[in-house]
Amino acid sequence: GQNIDQPTEMTATEGAIVQINCTYQTSGFNGLFWYQQHAGEAPTFLSYNVLDGLEEKGRFSSFLSRSKGYSYLLLKELQMKDSASYLCAVGLYNFNKFYFGSGTKLNVKP
Amino acid sequence: SQTIHQWPATLVQPVGSPLSLECTVEGTSNPNLYWYRQAAGRGLQLLFYSVGIGQISSEVPQNLSASRPQDRQFILSSKKLLLSDSGFYLCAWETGAAYGYTFGSGTRLTVV
Repeated sequence: GQNIDQPTEMTATEGAIVQINCTYQTSGFNGLFWYQQHAGEAPTFLSYNVLDGLEEKGRFSSFLSRSKGYSYLLLKELQMKDSASYLCAVGLYNFNKFYFGSGTKLNVKP
Repeated sequence: SQTIHQWPATLVQPVGSPLSLECTVEGTSNPNLYWYRQAAGRGLQLLFYSVGIGQISSEVPQNLSASRPQDRQFILSSKKLLLSDSGFYLCAWETGAAYGYTFGSGTRLTVV
């Protein structure tokens, strides 16, 4: 089976930096994705890592270590609108299958 | 442009009634299509995926079935709904390795 673990909930302050971790144990790994999901809405794509290292996209960065089965999403200069769930997902078998973690609910406080 | 449509947005159905949810994509051909379910406060569970017309792979044995009668149409069905079928159902389209999925807007199903 596939195991993808992330913390259930985190709280951070507006303007701060927060790191959301994701660990995985899978077979056929091709890449790791991060999605943002606001309550009651569909997830939207944030970032993608296929090679080890850091990918930066504005206020959001994502890191991958394939040897450790570990990724994190880094959110800088937090804004209230960043309050959402963040889903870690692994792409397997030439991206024919995607499995999601349970998501981390991020609460941003003033 | 490439888009994905899913309907209805919300649905309340009695136990034992049938279900049909439809998903269509536009602006692409031969897409990989997926059905996911998200229970309240939980992650996304992969239910079915399809790599082509008539090709359906089931991930979890359950009370649901899927069909792909046309290249850009993916249907989720049930003959008799159970209370445990309640959840947020999402259709997704794999838009390329670097972009992961594009999701439909989802259907919130409540079985009463």
